[in-house]
Amino acid sequence: DTEVTQTPKHLVMGMTNKKSLKCEQHMGHRAMYWYKQKAKKPPELMFVYSYEKLSINESVPSRFSPECPNSSLLNLHLHALQPEDSALYLCASSRNPKGLGTSGRIDIQYFGAGTRLSVL
Amino acid sequence: SQELEQSPQSLIVQEGKNLTINCTSSKTLYGLYWYKQKYGEGLIFLMMLQKGGEEKSHEKITAKLDEKKQQSSLHITASQPSHAGIYLCGAPTLNTGNQFYFGTGTSLTVIP
Repeated sequence: DTEVTQTPKHLVMGMTNKKSLKCEQHMGHRAMYWYKQKAKKPPELMFVYSYEKLSINESVPSRFSPECPNSSLLNLHLHALQPEDSALYLCASSRNPKGLGTSGRIDIQYFGAGTRLSVL
Repeated sequence: SQELEQSPQSLIVQEGKNLTINCTSSKTLYGLYWYKQKYGEGLIFLMMLQKGGEEKSHEKITAKLDEKKQQSSLHITASQPSHAGIYLCGAPTLNTGNQFYFGTGTSLTVIP
């Protein structure tokens, strides 16, 4: 089973709303990721969690707040978003959160189907 | 940061034709992934290449990694409408293998 489940599939919110995106995997992966993808653009990395701790934040605005309550679950809390934040938000997970090195190996990142977010 | 340039940007082929998509990196490649994405959906893992000269095949899709040229190619033989979608190459950075960057993408349309 290589499934990463994202909910909801679609979300429409106003600029003053607070909402959350949810991502779940049961593969025992210890690295989880949030990506943002605008139309006709490649996904852009937002956050990386390694062993449930935030390890990489790609200078994402504070109106996006990630949370990793346990090894299977990753949330993205949204508050006071702007219309330009409308995008497809993708979650991914991989087995090994360690970085590359002479003895490292890269792991496959498995992606969820995404949440299509529209900010009005 | 790692920059991955894909070519062509878009491709329209007749069913049954062969095609090649290229991915060129601005920095040394420490492995490369290929993914496929249907519009508005998640990414489907296709193949991972880790060593220079490595070549992998799955069904009618073959990918190669040329470390010296900092380049990878994806070749589809006898294309089918099911091959249509956006193909993305991706690569990790050296220091953090899970800091991952994607190429610019290639949109493939296969005409029946």
